Amino acid sequence: QVQLKESGPGLVQPSETLSLTCTVSGFSLTSYSVSWVRQPSGKGPEWMGRMWYDGDTAYNSALKSRLSISRDTSKNQVFLKMNSLQTDDTGTYYCTREEDYYFDYWGQGVMVTVSS
Amino acid sequence: DTVLTQSPALAVSPGERVTISCRASESVSTGMHWYQQKPGQQPKLLIYGASNLESGVPARFSGSGSGTDFTLTIDPVEADDTATYFCQQSWNDNTFGAGTKLELK
Repeated sequence: QVQLKESGPGLVQPSETLSLTCTVSGFSLTSYSVSWVRQPSGKGPEWMGRMWYDGDTAYNSALKSRLSISRDTSKNQVFLKMNSLQTDDTGTYYCTREEDYYFDYWGQGVMVTVSS
Repeated sequence: DTVLTQSPALAVSPGERVTISCRASESVSTGMHWYQQKPGQQPKLLIYGASNLESGVPARFSGSGSGTDFTLTIDPVEADDTATYFCQQSWNDNTFGAGTKLELK
């Protein structure tokens, strides 16, 4: 069955870089796109960016200057790196499988706190 | 960015019909999708393309609308439907609404 699982540090210092990994199973990264979506506590989700099935990327214009998404198809992994973190980057980060621009499967999420 | 506006909260009794609205700041055609999120869980896809029911989702859920005005309907509402419901548009990049919290009386 389709599964996605996020991993990474739960605590990041302000101004430092966040690195997250999404490990997928049950589908191929060369057949489906994977997006990263984050959600501050008690607020609506925010789409961050996408790794297209063909290896191309797309980013939310508000985050583009700080964000990088890459992948390793041999390991079934998609990576997120975002630099210059601030306290308002605190929230739960999800990786999601995309089907025709909607998100049909979600990982359980990883809670990231930006604090010194 | 396309802003999606949802009413913050609704309270209904089990067995009733509830409509949850989402208004877009510009036309998104039928590029509107709905998710259910229970506390401590990830969002779950309910409706895609404005009116298509995701596989495995009960037929009590339905979606309608096009352009700027969209509705998620639950009929009849059950106790397990207590959750926050988000709309997401994919016509102009991707944005989500702030969510409507559905409580049962």
